[in-house]
Amino acid sequence: EAQVTQNPRYLITVTGKKLTVTCSQNMNHEYMSWYRQDPGLGLRQIYYSMNVEVTDKGDVPEGYKVSRKEKRNFPLILESPSPNQTSLYFCASSFGGRGYEQYFGPGTRLTVT
Amino acid sequence: DAKTTQPTSMDCAEGRAANLPCNHSTISGNEYVYWYRQIHSQGPQYIIHGLKNNETNEMASLIITEDRKSSTLILPHATLRDTAVYYCIVPNDYKLSFGAGTTVTVRA
Repeated sequence: EAQVTQNPRYLITVTGKKLTVTCSQNMNHEYMSWYRQDPGLGLRQIYYSMNVEVTDKGDVPEGYKVSRKEKRNFPLILESPSPNQTSLYFCASSFGGRGYEQYFGPGTRLTVT
Repeated sequence: DAKTTQPTSMDCAEGRAANLPCNHSTISGNEYVYWYRQIHSQGPQYIIHGLKNNETNEMASLIITEDRKSSTLILPHATLRDTAVYYCIVPNDYKLSFGAGTTVTVRA
């Protein structure tokens, strides 16, 4: 089944404790992206990747890191999480080009206390 | 960026067609219109996209006006499972910008 998977689905952590949210797709997509969704602010793009070893900032990259060492994986790293990063996170992928027909993962609900 | 304007919410009766309008008056000639939906806290789901011609797939139909300044997404036979937030997007710069969308509630 074609899908985007994220792990973990739920995470509660404390301020400053490094964490990684994994994202994997099995569709051989070139393009991958991370979004966060907050009440009243909608979905906002954090980072995106056009292909392996190619990443770029989205609208809200501060406090996040990403890497794209393999085509299928695009982990989101929070080096020192803070409470304002409490959010619902979505990973997405698409075929090459402009990446607008995106497949989204199920989401990761992160709480930072 | 071509911004889009959608009604905040709308109701629809189950089994009837749902017509969701979107204004994108600043769209440029080579920009597409995309529609996504998001069922409560799930990941957004791609529905359909178009440039200037009307489009139809197994989920919906997309009608784009001749001047391309507006479009309508049509769910031909709405079901309770179509209750969701629907987003009309004109993407560019490798980015989908999700606005507030239209909250569609399908009622039995």
